[in-house]
Formats: sequence, C-alpha cells, structure tokens
Amino acid sequence: DAGVIQSPRHEVTEMGQEVTLRCKPISGHDYLFWYRQTMMRGLELLIYFNNNVPIDDSGMPEDRFSAKMPNASFSTLKIQPSEPRDSAVYFCASSFRAAAGYTFGSGTRLTVV
Amino acid sequence: GESVGLHLPTLSVQEGDNSIINCAYSNSASDYFIWYKQESGKGPQFIIDIRSNMDKRQGQRVTVLLNKTVKHLSLQIAATQPGDSAVYFCAENPYSGAGSYQLTFGKGTKLSVIP
Repeated sequence: DAGVIQSPRHEVTEMGQEVTLRCKPISGHDYLFWYRQTMMRGLELLIYFNNNVPIDDSGMPEDRFSAKMPNASFSTLKIQPSEPRDSAVYFCASSFRAAAGYTFGSGTRLTVV
Repeated sequence: GESVGLHLPTLSVQEGDNSIINCAYSNSASDYFIWYKQESGKGPQFIIDIRSNMDKRQGQRVTVLLNKTVKHLSLQIAATQPGDSAVYFCAENPYSGAGSYQLTFGKGTKLSVIP
C-alpha cells in the first residue's frame, strides 16, 4: 500500500486566491482526518469523516474553509479566499476504526503571500 | 517540516543511553493513547499505543507507561540511536460516545541524540 497520499506537496499562493488540498486515504480505511500544524499551535484537528460523512467540523477555523469527501478514496480541503495566516502544513490521516491509530500523509506545506 | 514549536521541550541524549519522554494528558475519560514520531519534513508516524485498561506496553526498543491516577504517559526508548532524533507527540482519544474517534495531540518533545 502506498500509504496516505497528499497533493500538492508544496503550495505557494497569493492572498485571496482559492487553494485546494487533496488526499487519498489508505484503501479500506473508514476514517479520514484533516489536521493543520503550525509552530505556535501544534497539530490541530480541523475536520474528520467516517464512511465519507463529516462527523465533526468544529475545528474548521471559519467559513473560508470547507472539506468534502465525495467517495471513500478521495477528500479535498478548500480555502477560499486564502489569507497569510492560513500558512501551515496541512496533514491528512486515515484509520480503520480505532484499531491502531492514524496513518498520516506527508503533508502539504501551504504558504500564502 | 514545521513540527517544532517556539518553546518545544527538548531532550538531549547520548547515543546508546535510554530516553524517557513524558506527557501529561488532560482528559480523565480518555481511553486510548498513542505515541507518534515526526521527523523533519514528514508526517507523524505511529510508534506504539496503549489502552486505558493497561498500564504498560512494550514494543521493539520502546515501552509506553500509563499512570491514570496522575494522567501521565511516558515513552521509553532503549539504546537510543541517531535515527531516533525527531519530535515525539503523545495523543489521546477523549472518548465521547459510541462512534466517536478523534485524537488530541500534545505539543511535542524534541529528542536530539548526541553521537
């Protein structure tokens, strides 16, 4: 298995632009999580899905952030419009139930200038 | 990667010595705990987990100890190697009902191994 696959690996965009981050979870995993990591706040849970259904989005900072999971093998996190304070590393992770923790992707490093 | 906080606790250990990384968790209802290792530029990697009905679990060169009385978790790494240099996070699952599953991560501890 190739693990959790995220794209792009790096993204640099101008303030006000739309940004879309992508994630392919491990096949068979029924949970998918989006986290944001910054120096000041560490790892923050943004949203998670179970069987493609959003369960808890209370960590989404504001309406500029949205996430979808149209099928079991794909999820997107969108920021529109982006702001410099959105600059962070965004991780996607997946899990099969609560069996053995999450498997994280390599992350997308987002820089908004 | 940006995994190091401005005031991240740092532990420096001589190669070959044992390392002990500590973590205080917040929720007495948490029933599942995990240690993750994050190397620079990579995502966190699962090391070992433990459930609340246990107080010790061993893996290869690693041991996790859980003290529910004082809400404390520790990770012991035997014979620390240069490849163990990374940031280590503890995570807890604050159980809140059937089907609920989300991990809350600590701020992390940076382990530096001195050759």
